[in-house]
Amino acid sequence: QGRLVQSGADVKKTGASVKVSCKSSGYTFRDHYLHFVRQAPGQGLEWMGWVNPKSGATNYPQKFKGRVTLTTDTSIDTAYMELRRLTPDDTAVYYCAKEFSSYGDALDLWGPGTRVTVSS
Amino acid sequence: SYDLSQPASVSVSPGQTATITCSGDNLGDKYVCWYHQKPGQSPELLIYQDFKRPAGIPERFSASNSGNTATLTIRGTQSMDEADYFCQAFDSGTRVFGGGTRLTVL
Repeated sequence: QGRLVQSGADVKKTGASVKVSCKSSGYTFRDHYLHFVRQAPGQGLEWMGWVNPKSGATNYPQKFKGRVTLTTDTSIDTAYMELRRLTPDDTAVYYCAKEFSSYGDALDLWGPGTRVTVSS
Repeated sequence: SYDLSQPASVSVSPGQTATITCSGDNLGDKYVCWYHQKPGQSPELLIYQDFKRPAGIPERFSASNSGNTATLTIRGTQSMDEADYFCQAFDSGTRVFGGGTRLTVL
């Protein structure tokens, strides 16, 4: 099944950038797309995009294009999510999640989440 | 953008059947997944491709998808099923989540 371990909580000022890491173990990192999903306090889940560790290809929803970048370092089985030009509305828990093609590309393994707080 | 609607909350008595709906335009033409999230935990996959259960998910969780509505059914609901439930659909290469339904077992 595997495991995803994320970086620790972070506090940023408005206008800054944040970079969240997601280290995988227990499965072949290059074989599965990695997604990032965020959850604002008391709110639902919001999909931020995926990265293909094998090729580096990415896909982002329109809302985040130009502001988020997903990358991977296959030498250490780690994915990264960088979000720029932060505002207080970006305060959320950020999850990474592994896609599993045998489950119809559903997200079958989730990290514990990284809490990001943006203050003005 | 594509929107999915879920009821904010559903209540059920222990041992009864809980039904959670997810609505979207022609949702039946798309594959739907369901996740649940217990307080303080990460989401967990419950259902994929409309009705299939991943390994380890009990048979009392079932689902369907037709027309404009996907439905998650939990039979013999237990207190451990209290959680937020999210549907998710695939739309034009992107993923969309419903707003979530809080299931309360009274």
